[in-house]
Amino acid sequence: DAGVIQSPRHEVTEMGQEVTLRCKPISGHDYLFWYRQTMMRGLELLIYFNNNVPIDDSGMPEDRFSAKMPNASFSTLKIQPSEPRDSAVYFCASIMTGAGKDEQFFGPGTRLTVL
Amino acid sequence: GNSVTQMEGPVTLSEEAFLTINCTYTATGYPSLFWYVQYPGEGLQLLLKATKADDKGSNKGFEATYRKETTSFHLEKGSVQVSDSAVYFCARSIYNQGGKLIFGQGTELSVKP
Repeated sequence: DAGVIQSPRHEVTEMGQEVTLRCKPISGHDYLFWYRQTMMRGLELLIYFNNNVPIDDSGMPEDRFSAKMPNASFSTLKIQPSEPRDSAVYFCASIMTGAGKDEQFFGPGTRLTVL
Repeated sequence: GNSVTQMEGPVTLSEEAFLTINCTYTATGYPSLFWYVQYPGEGLQLLLKATKADDKGSNKGFEATYRKETTSFHLEKGSVQVSDSAVYFCARSIYNQGGKLIFGQGTELSVKP
């Protein structure tokens, strides 16, 4: 398996623009997580899905952030409009639960810079 | 509640030195415990884990023992290498919340030749 795939790897945009980050989880995994990592705040859980259904979005910072998972193999995290303080590395992770399989697999991340 | 506390970094060691990174967790339920490692420019990857009290997880010369009596899961390595320079995250699972993990704040390790 190719692991968790994220795109783009790097994104540079201007304040006010819409940004869409994409994630393809590992096939067969039933949970998907979106995280944000910054020097100031460390690793933050933004939202997670179970079988494509959002379970907890309490970590989403503002209404400017939204996430969807239209099917088991694809999820998006959208920021509209983007602001400089959204600059961070965004990670997607997936996991297959049950039978002792409790390791989260992380993607390589998307480094977002908002100018 | 559910939380994980790690020793603050950065930790700077010379090659072949002994490493300990402390981690404690809140004793809610019977969590599985994990150490993840993040090399520069990469995502987190699982280093080792332990699923019950007194279990020892080990990988790549790193070890951690699940200590229920002290609610700790300290990471150790007898002889670090320059290639071990990375950020290390301690994490715990949460009962009845599927695959969700609570991560510590991360500890940056720098190993000098």
